[in-house]
Amino acid sequence: LAKTTQPISMDSYEGQEVNITCSHNNIATNDYITWYQQFPSQGPRFIIQGYKTKVTNEVASLFIPADRKSSTLSLPRVSLSDTAVYYCPAGTGAGSYQLTFGKGTKLSVIP
Amino acid sequence: EAGVTQFPSHSVIEKGQTVTLRCDPISGHDNLYWYRRVMGKEIKFLLHFVKESKQDESGMPNNRFLAERTGGTYSTLKVQPAELEDSGVYFCASSRGPNTEAFFGQGTRLTVV
Repeated sequence: LAKTTQPISMDSYEGQEVNITCSHNNIATNDYITWYQQFPSQGPRFIIQGYKTKVTNEVASLFIPADRKSSTLSLPRVSLSDTAVYYCPAGTGAGSYQLTFGKGTKLSVIP
Repeated sequence: EAGVTQFPSHSVIEKGQTVTLRCDPISGHDNLYWYRRVMGKEIKFLLHFVKESKQDESGMPNNRFLAERTGGTYSTLKVQPAELEDSGVYFCASSRGPNTEAFFGQGTRLTVV
């Protein structure tokens, strides 16, 4: 079963750029790499998704090396409201969106 | 566009009772998923519908759990009879396609006492 590994927690000051790296050594050829954000008492919220190289949207960037065995979520200039748990769930590919969530990375943004 | 809606938001039932959770996906999303997090553990996949068909139910824990999606719109997840270990948060998600972004609902917190 595909599995991902992320830091348990990270602290950052407001206004800094935060990079969270995820290892997914068993990623399948047709799996996408997806990141979610979760606040307490809420469901996971989609942030960004990519297959390879770099993807950027209005909230984050996703860097994926050529071997796709890791990915880095980059949050520019974090604010206190970015304090949350961030997940990079492993997918199963094959047309199924069965995601395997790990423990996630708890990001704490400090004023 | 309305998001994924789940209700109730919280349900407290006694062991042995039956509970039915409901999920309304985003309109037009053929793919619907159920996940749950029990007792502080990780979020686990339960099953995946494509329209009204069960595409993958490999994550369903046992036959006390029954999911349906009649007509390919909303879905229900029934737990009968409920056990203490079923307590947790049940999330529903939907997506337009299998590899497009999945939108999660707020979750239903189930407490079995």
